Amino acid sequence: AQSVAQPEDQVNVAEGNPLTVKCTYSVSGNPYLFWYVQYPNRGLQFLLKYITGDNLVKGSYGFEAEFNKSQTSFHLKKPSALVSDSALYFCAVRGGHGSSNTGKLIFGQGTTLQVKP
Amino acid sequence: EAQVTQNPRYLITVTGKKLTVTCSQNMNHEYMSWYRQDPGLGLRQIYYSMNVEVTDKGDVPEGYKVSRKEKRNFPLILESPSPNQTSLYFCASSWGQGGTEAFFGQGTRLTVV
Repeated sequence: AQSVAQPEDQVNVAEGNPLTVKCTYSVSGNPYLFWYVQYPNRGLQFLLKYITGDNLVKGSYGFEAEFNKSQTSFHLKKPSALVSDSALYFCAVRGGHGSSNTGKLIFGQGTTLQVKP
Repeated sequence: EAQVTQNPRYLITVTGKKLTVTCSQNMNHEYMSWYRQDPGLGLRQIYYSMNVEVTDKGDVPEGYKVSRKEKRNFPLILESPSPNQTSLYFCASSWGQGGTEAFFGQGTRLTVV
């Protein structure tokens, strides 16, 4: 079964420090991996995705993510955190491999990022 | 501007009173879906549609209905809401294949009392 795990419910970092939000996945075939961010009272906003190619993917707002096939991970990173980065972050993998539901996204449970001044 | 629009944003209703949450997208996307978000569970797919008049169940379809009469609209219908359907609901649209990202509506916070 395809799945996504975000092992940390919350990550706390100080402003200016690097941040990492962890994600591991299980999927058959080649994965399509995504990160979304949710600010309070807002919908999910797309941050970045991995399809193929370079393992380091750059996205919006200075975020990047590293795809590691051997560890089946897709951790979200940022070199220098901002207070405004505080939000709920979701990792997702496109499921539907071998089924007709090719557009389905399978989400992790979410990680709350708290950046303190 | 490319967007997915859901209405209403907030809704409080009573058990058993039928309700509809509307969803509309302006990107000509073929694939649309509904998710519910619950604490600690992430987002789970309720129903999806591959195209007009083509709908199918997601992971948690019980108690919900959908329709896709037009490409842009994908309403979510709760015929007889129950308190366990209290949740945050998101509509999403995409091209539905491979590495194409999904666009999400702002969400509808539903409370069933």
